[in-house]
Amino acid sequence: GPKVLQIPSHQIIDMGQMVTLNCDPVSNHLYFYWYKQILGQQMEFLVNFYNGKVMEKSKLFKDQFSVERPDGSYFTLKIQPTALEDSAVYFCASSRDSSNSDYTFGSGTRLLVI
Amino acid sequence: AQKVTQTQTSISVVEKTTVTMDCVYETRDSSYFLFWYKQTASGEIVFLIRQDSYKKENATVGHYSLNFQKPKSSIGLIITATQIEDSAVYFCAMREGSGSWQLIFGSGTQLTVMP
Repeated sequence: GPKVLQIPSHQIIDMGQMVTLNCDPVSNHLYFYWYKQILGQQMEFLVNFYNGKVMEKSKLFKDQFSVERPDGSYFTLKIQPTALEDSAVYFCASSRDSSNSDYTFGSGTRLLVI
Repeated sequence: AQKVTQTQTSISVVEKTTVTMDCVYETRDSSYFLFWYKQTASGEIVFLIRQDSYKKENATVGHYSLNFQKPKSSIGLIITATQIEDSAVYFCAMREGSGSWQLIFGSGTQLTVMP
């Protein structure tokens, strides 16, 4: 089936540096999401993005986080500056609409902040 | 407040048998959507099956089916004729219908299918 691609699959970064996680969503999907999963725990919602705007965000979506999708290219999650507690797997997801369509998840980016 | 609870941390079964994984949820919405995903050893998250709250009939897809008990706020996943490759972590998730886009996940159940 259609895939959500995430680049890179792994990233190691020094605390305080900036990191950008990239997501190529399913081509006809309009809604995009980021989820965070700390090792061994459930995924937690970070943010939803539609039509160039953040529609909803959780308390985990700190001020250091930002998302954008310039000109229909990658949907990105930027963390600036990074903190040790940002170490996690970040999953991108997309859906066709906001009502009852299913979500397609990417394989995740494993971020380690040292 | 929204919440999804999976009390079974891990389950082991012998292949070709049937397994049921439990999930209960909390919501104030009258309309909501329930999902089951599995996460493989590689970390990939795969959509399995969904149940819309307004549908009375239990969803079935392949060897996955749901036991939707709305009065108990329960959505169990049943896997029949289990296979070794069904070994994974299974997550229950809920999305409310009131305009929220969040999927609220449970903590997951590790299923191990043994030969």
